[in-house]
Amino acid sequence: QSALTQPPSVSGSPGQSVTISCTGTSSDIGSYTRVSWYQQPPGTAPKLIIYEVSNRPSGVPDRFSGSKSGNTASLTISGLQAEDEADYYCSSFKTSTTPVVFGGGTRLTVL
Amino acid sequence: EVQLVQSGAEVKKPGESLKISCKGSGYSFTNYWIGWVRQMPGKGLEWMGIIYPGDSDTRYSPSFQGRVTISADKSIRTAYLQWSSLRASDTAMYFCARPMYSGYIGYSYGMDVWGQGTTVTVSS
Repeated sequence: QSALTQPPSVSGSPGQSVTISCTGTSSDIGSYTRVSWYQQPPGTAPKLIIYEVSNRPSGVPDRFSGSKSGNTASLTISGLQAEDEADYYCSSFKTSTTPVVFGGGTRLTVL
Repeated sequence: EVQLVQSGAEVKKPGESLKISCKGSGYSFTNYWIGWVRQMPGKGLEWMGIIYPGDSDTRYSPSFQGRVTISADKSIRTAYLQWSSLRASDTAMYFCARPMYSGYIGYSYGMDVWGQGTTVTVSS
């Protein structure tokens, strides 16, 4: 069982928006802004798409946005495109001895 | 170009030992943590542990503490993940990754550079 809880799957049609939630606790997401999101198409290494809750690395389209409320972080993908079909993972800082915890992952299907 | 290049696929038998590697280039190797992430077949990402090559400070996930050893040789800019006795359940893809920020506090931030992954298959 993963430390952070994500829905196993979401889907949407091209052009639509989808939101993926990531629920933790007051000991991780609820206490820190060090929340990241990763995109992993099949057979590839993960790619960082959101860091520190809502910041995008250079090159990541502004269709990807992140937010946080309480113990839950969210990733919203607007204007869905076929190339967005992938697995998405959230992560958060936890403690200094175990710094990183991941969510179980969410498979996005573009219909 | 900043990159992490991992060693090639391995096929091992249960009980054997293994050490896989991750070589960094294009950045100051000693100033960034390097972490290891496991992905079992068809499953999600699991954070295993992280090392700061500058002083070899190492942190492990409780799930992996005692099962693997993370090390680094800063003279050749390489981090390692090793097992003393493999099990079939160690069959997985293993990624190394570097946080986006340098320095000691960097370990808790997003990882923006990833290796290509090393497939480890353990089967009798």
